[in-house]
Amino acid sequence: AQTVTQSQPEMSVQEAETVTLSCTYDTSESDYYLFWYKQPPSRQMILVIRQEAYKQQNATENRFSVNFQKAAKSFSLKISDSQLGDAAMYFCAYRKMTGANSKLTFGKGITLSVRP
Amino acid sequence: ETGVTQTPRHLVMGMTNKKSLKCEQHLGHNAMYWYKQSAKKPLELMFVYNFKEQTENNSVPSRFSPECPNSSHLFLHLHTLQPEDSALYLCASSAGLADSDTQYFGPGTRLTVL
Repeated sequence: AQTVTQSQPEMSVQEAETVTLSCTYDTSESDYYLFWYKQPPSRQMILVIRQEAYKQQNATENRFSVNFQKAAKSFSLKISDSQLGDAAMYFCAYRKMTGANSKLTFGKGITLSVRP
Repeated sequence: ETGVTQTPRHLVMGMTNKKSLKCEQHLGHNAMYWYKQSAKKPLELMFVYNFKEQTENNSVPSRFSPECPNSSHLFLHLHTLQPEDSALYLCASSAGLADSDTQYFGPGTRLTVL
């Protein structure tokens, strides 16, 4: 079974600084998707970034980028120029590429606080 | 905010009560999901519906009863719940069940069972 591990329950970053959130996963599959979701306090969970395992290039979305290390099964999220609005819970998730009806497997999440 | 709404946002109920959670998506999606989010635990998938048909029941106790009358609406009927069922219940939708289909989440219903 696939598992997703986020070993750091909390992190803090100074506004305008850079922070990296860690995620590791375990799978025997070679093709899959990895995701980072953001859940602000009392607000909806939204997709931040997505990575296809077959792509060697790391995904980027504005200030958000990932460091995808397939051999190490590591998928970290880097937030550059942190803003107060980045404070949220961040979930790493995995989904295998089966063609249809594949479940999302989530990590426990990490709470990120941003200091002004 | 995304096009997935959930009501109520907060619910407190006793163990003998019967209540329902409602989810509505305005995205034209065909697949809908119920998740349970407990503190310090990963999100747990409960049910999946595709074109109104249930495609997944992740060994959920029968005190949780889902209903999907159409592709835009999803309900979770609750009865004789236990205190350990207290959690944030999230609804999500996606265009379909393909791997590439992104799931969009609602804001959740914070449920407290006394």
